[in-house]
Amino acid sequence: KNQVEQSPQSLIILEGKNCTLQCNYTVSPFSNLRWYKQDTGRGPVSLTIMTFSENTKSNGRYTATLDADTKQSSLHITASQLSDSASYICVVSRYYTNAGKSTFGDGTTLTVKP
Amino acid sequence: EAQVTQNPRYLITVTGKKLTVTCSQNMNHEYMSWYRQDPGLGLRQIYYSMNVEVTDKGDVPEGYKVSRKEKRNFPLILESPSPNQTSLYFCASSAPGQGYYEQYFGPGTRLTVT
Repeated sequence: KNQVEQSPQSLIILEGKNCTLQCNYTVSPFSNLRWYKQDTGRGPVSLTIMTFSENTKSNGRYTATLDADTKQSSLHITASQLSDSASYICVVSRYYTNAGKSTFGDGTTLTVKP
Repeated sequence: EAQVTQNPRYLITVTGKKLTVTCSQNMNHEYMSWYRQDPGLGLRQIYYSMNVEVTDKGDVPEGYKVSRKEKRNFPLILESPSPNQTSLYFCASSAPGQGYYEQYFGPGTRLTVT
């Protein structure tokens, strides 16, 4: 069964601290892995996208890593800000030619406190 | 501005009263999808469309219909809504990138069926 599991389910950190979110998947065949940020009540916004051949991708203070052998990914947030408070969703897609086939994780809810 | 729009943003209705949630994108994307998001279940795909007049079921299509008569529009139809369709709905459109499809989400429609 194609699954995406994220941990932790929720996380509280102080402003300025770093944190790392985890994503393990069993989706096959693998096409790409994305991390999205979703603010409460709004649509997800793409942070990073990685294909099979990529093992790291950065977007400002966000750095995603991918280990396709162990089927694990992580999202590292550096020097967190209050605006980083959101849900972070890991999504794995199976086929390049079919944009519809994606499996979503349940997300990690991050709260950044002053 | 490139965007995906949904209407209405909020809707409260009664069981059995047919409704349509509209989705429109101005990016000339071929791929469009509908998702529902429920607490603890993440985003689940309802239907997707690869082009005009080409649609296919996602993971949870029961109780929903879609149509794709124009490239820019992808309405979601609930012929006889039931309380278990109370959810947050997202429309998304996709465009090809470097080995993947970049997906853009609408702002969401919060539906309550009583």
